[in-house]
Amino acid sequence: AQKITQTQPGMFVQEKEAVTLDCTYDTSDPSYGLFWYKQPSSGEMIFLIYQGSYDQQNATEGRYSLNFQKARKSANLVISASQLGDSAMYFCAMSRNNNAGNMLTFGGGTRLMVKP
Amino acid sequence: ETGVTQTPRHLVMGMTNKKSLKCEQHLGHNAMYWYKQSAKKPLELMFVYSLEERVENNSVPSRFSPECPNSSHLFLHLHTLQPEDSALYLCASSPQGKGLEKLFFGSGTQLSVL
Repeated sequence: AQKITQTQPGMFVQEKEAVTLDCTYDTSDPSYGLFWYKQPSSGEMIFLIYQGSYDQQNATEGRYSLNFQKARKSANLVISASQLGDSAMYFCAMSRNNNAGNMLTFGGGTRLMVKP
Repeated sequence: ETGVTQTPRHLVMGMTNKKSLKCEQHLGHNAMYWYKQSAKKPLELMFVYSLEERVENNSVPSRFSPECPNSSHLFLHLHTLQPEDSALYLCASSPQGKGLEKLFFGSGTQLSVL
């Protein structure tokens, strides 16, 4: 069974500073994917970044980067130059390799609050 | 706009009512999902449809009945719900057969059961 753990229920960051949101995972699958989603108060889940388990380099997407440490089973999200609009819930998720569909297992989320 | 539209955005229903949640995707995907998001709990996968066939049912009570008439539409029929079923219900879609693709989510239906 897969498990995702996000140990920070809430985080504060000063505008324009960088912040790291923690995510650890557990799986017995040799191949898996790790995702980060952002959920603003409007409710929709917005895809941010993806890391494949066999990818050699850490994923980056604009101000988002994923600090992937496979041996430690961690996939932390780093947001650089925080903006007020970054205030939201952030979810780490892991995919189960299944040709029929992509079953994501989610962590409990971290609420990020950006201070002006 | 993610290309996945859910209606209604908000729904209040009594325990004896019957209602349906609707999801429509315009992305050409072949897999669709229902997730439940309760307060203080991780998102829970409820159902997965791939090519209009149900491929996953995570021990969801029978008072929730999914329907996928075609690859673009997904419904969740609700009847005799309980107050603990109050939650945000999220629909998602993805390409089928490519296990590690990202999911595209709708904005959800916020359900309150009185």
